Amino acid sequence: SAVISQKPSRDICQRGTSLTIQCQVDSQVTMMFWYRQQPGQSLTLIATANQGSEATYESGFVIDKFPISRPNLTFSTLTVSNMSPEDSSIYLCSVGETGGLLTEAFFGQGTRLTVV
Amino acid sequence: QKEVEQNSGPLSVPEGAIASLNCTYSDRGSQSFFWYRQYSGKSPELIMSIYSNGDKEDGRFTAQLNKASQYVSLLIRDSQPSDSATYLCAPQGGTGRRALTFGSGTRLQVQP
Repeated sequence: SAVISQKPSRDICQRGTSLTIQCQVDSQVTMMFWYRQQPGQSLTLIATANQGSEATYESGFVIDKFPISRPNLTFSTLTVSNMSPEDSSIYLCSVGETGGLLTEAFFGQGTRLTVV
Repeated sequence: QKEVEQNSGPLSVPEGAIASLNCTYSDRGSQSFFWYRQYSGKSPELIMSIYSNGDKEDGRFTAQLNKASQYVSLLIRDSQPSDSATYLCAPQGGTGRRALTFGSGTRLQVQP
């Protein structure tokens, strides 16, 4: 499977500021996704990062709050804008790899964000 | 109704026993199903995938799928303390989606 490097691994940020999370993959991948995992909760899809076009956001997530870039097939960024304590979560980059009838998803190590 | 339902647990089993984890899903269009293991403070790790009805075995793990009942399960044989983690069920492919929809997870505790 692809090796996914995500950084920073953790950060503590002041409310009202923004943080950009980077996701680098060691091979070209078609599908990249961003998830959020709030404390004690499961994973929630934020958006699908589309190469060369605007990301596709899930209900409840908007581009102004979570702008995403994907300039090529190996790299994507997620920005958490104008942060509040409610944004404290783990943010996870995921890539999809297709083999046969399955598209398996693999995760980066995550970014643990604390907003104070 | 939640899209993916799992018993949150904790499910406690003695070492060496079989752990049985269950998951139901609402989207009949789901094509593939995945089980992830997540240790505390770590990201999810893929352990099993299945897309055909029936059983699929890989080492100590067996995934079972029944699309008619919209049910998928994971059996862990000879459970070890290192299996103690949260197990996430994730269907894929319903309504043309490639992203995964995760259940809330079942926390498994294997007692030495």
